[in-house]
Amino acid sequence: AQSVTQLGSHVSVSEGALVLLRCNYSSSVPPYLFWYVQYPNQGLQLLLKYTTGATLVKGINGFEAEFKKSETSFHLTKPSAHMSDAAEYFCAVTVPSSNTGKLIFGQGTTLQVKP
Amino acid sequence: NAGVTQTPKFRVLKTGQSMTLLCAQDMNHEYMYWYRQDPGMGLRLIHYSVGEGTTAKGEVPDGYNVSRLKKQNFLLGLESAAPSQTSVYFCASSSQRGIYEQYFGPGTRLTVT
Repeated sequence: AQSVTQLGSHVSVSEGALVLLRCNYSSSVPPYLFWYVQYPNQGLQLLLKYTTGATLVKGINGFEAEFKKSETSFHLTKPSAHMSDAAEYFCAVTVPSSNTGKLIFGQGTTLQVKP
Repeated sequence: NAGVTQTPKFRVLKTGQSMTLLCAQDMNHEYMYWYRQDPGMGLRLIHYSVGEGTTAKGEVPDGYNVSRLKKQNFLLGLESAAPSQTSVYFCASSSQRGIYEQYFGPGTRLTVT
């Protein structure tokens, strides 16, 4: 079975500082991994995804994540935080062979950006 | 192109009442999903559908039923609401080509008293 753990339910950074949101996964087969973002009172939006190939993936709004198989991690980073990045971020995992598109989500991390 | 829409946006129910949440998508997507979001628990899959006329259980299906009579619509029913079903409900859809890129609706906030 797959699972996702996001370390830290709340992360606070200053505007312009590095953003690092942590995600570790558990999967018995090579997974696909995702980061979604949820702005207040909205649905989720895909930020980026890792399926196969290059382990460093770039997403929208300057975010990127690196798949590290040895560490079972898929941490999300952004070099310089912007006020508009304040949102809740969810890491998710799936088993590609299931062909159902089912995602297992982590608990979420709320990012606060201070001026 | 409205994407994924959900009706209603808010609802308050009394324990034991029933209701249906409607999800509609205009992207001709094959796959549709219903999630519930609770604080500190992320999103949990209730039911999903891989095509018109098909449905399957997710992680937390108890107390809910679904139907997908038309490709563009996915209905979530609560037959006898309980306070434990107080949550924010999200519908999502994805295409066969982009199966893992799910498009989410704006959510329905349901309170059961």
